[in-house]
Amino acid sequence: SQTIHQWPATLVQPVGSPLSLECTVEGTSNPNLYWYRQAAGRGLQLLFYSVGIGQISSEVPQNLSASRPQDRQFILSSKKLLLSDSGFYLCAWSQDRAAGNTIYFGEGSWLTVV
Amino acid sequence: DQQVKQNSPSLSVQEGRISILNCDYTNSMFDYFLWYKKYPAEGPTFLISISSIKDKNEDGRFTVFLNKSAKHLSLHIVPSQPGDSAVYFCAASVYGGSQGNLIFGKGTKLSVKP
Repeated sequence: SQTIHQWPATLVQPVGSPLSLECTVEGTSNPNLYWYRQAAGRGLQLLFYSVGIGQISSEVPQNLSASRPQDRQFILSSKKLLLSDSGFYLCAWSQDRAAGNTIYFGEGSWLTVV
Repeated sequence: DQQVKQNSPSLSVQEGRISILNCDYTNSMFDYFLWYKKYPAEGPTFLISISSIKDKNEDGRFTVFLNKSAKHLSLHIVPSQPGDSAVYFCAASVYGGSQGNLIFGKGTKLSVKP
């Protein structure tokens, strides 16, 4: 069966510091990978998605970036965090489009920028 | 402009009764709809989906109804249990469309009281 893991689960970072959240998927190949954010009082906002190694699409302009160095690895980064980057970040995966668009989420990472 | 709307931010139901969570959408191109359940500080869990060729899909205590003419779907939970207390997200997409276009509502917090 497929599993998805992301880490760290909780992170407290000062403003201006870098960020790296990592996500890996097991049990599948060539998944579509996603980074979402859930800010307080808001729904799930898609930040990035990737259909393959090195292929990243950005949905929202921001100071975050994503990379996919390996087929089942997805990394969310920032060079300098802002207070507004605080939130709950979720990595997710789905099969190719022929299987529909059901997306499966990881456990989430709480980021607090202070 | 919200394409997927969950107009009730919260819902309180007695244990054993029916919970009805509602969702409206504006984009007539959407043809695949999903419900996710989310506990605090955890990733959303996929619950049930429905494609536009159906008007009902049932899985145990969960039933999703789709009214295409009204651009409305609902999730029924019968009977409701205290463990169902969570935030429920409605999501919509174009089946087989470009990846990353799963649009989420802002969620409805369900509280099931013993």
